[in-house]
Amino acid sequence: AQKVTQAQTEISVVEKEDVTLDCVYETRDTTYYLFWYKQPPSGELVFLIRRNSFDEQNEISGRYSWNFQKSTSSFNFTITASQVVDSAVYFCALHFGNEKLTFGTGTRLTIIP
Amino acid sequence: DAGVTQSPTHLIKTRGQHVTLRCSPISGHKSVSWYQQVLGQGPQFIFQYYEKEERGRGNFPDRFSARQFPNYSSELNVNALLLGDSALYLCASSRLGVQETQYFGPGTRLLVL
Repeated sequence: AQKVTQAQTEISVVEKEDVTLDCVYETRDTTYYLFWYKQPPSGELVFLIRRNSFDEQNEISGRYSWNFQKSTSSFNFTITASQVVDSAVYFCALHFGNEKLTFGTGTRLTIIP
Repeated sequence: DAGVTQSPTHLIKTRGQHVTLRCSPISGHKSVSWYQQVLGQGPQFIFQYYEKEERGRGNFPDRFSARQFPNYSSELNVNALLLGDSALYLCASSRLGVQETQYFGPGTRLLVL
């Protein structure tokens, strides 16, 4: 069975600090996809990134960066120079084959002005 | 292009009633999935439809049913509502199946009294 663990339930940081959200996954498959979504208070899940299991290159998009390490089954997300608008719940998700998209329980991030 | 749209945005029902939630996918997307998100949890997969056929079903009772129409829009029906059905119901669309990135709508908040 596939599983996603986001051990950090809530994180608070002061604006402009860097913050890393952890994601650990379990799957038997060798081909799979990992996702991060952002859920602001409005409720809509906003897609941030999709990575496949064969691409371990780290990715940077503006203030966002992702560190994918197959050896530790982790796909961590870092926000650099955090802003108040980054306050949201962030979900990591896993998909393989024709199976469903499996989400973690989410990390609530609060950026303090 | 418009994103995924869902209606209604909010709904209040009483136990035992029936509810129908609606979703219109992004133009060109043929796959629609439904998720239930209980407060404080990650979204849980309910159904996936592709080209009007059910392609996946989560661990939900038979009170939950869905269908997809020729224009790729979808309905989620829940019969004999229970208090525990109170949740945010999210619809997601993708071009093809669940193996592609799913884009989510704003959700329908259902409260069962």
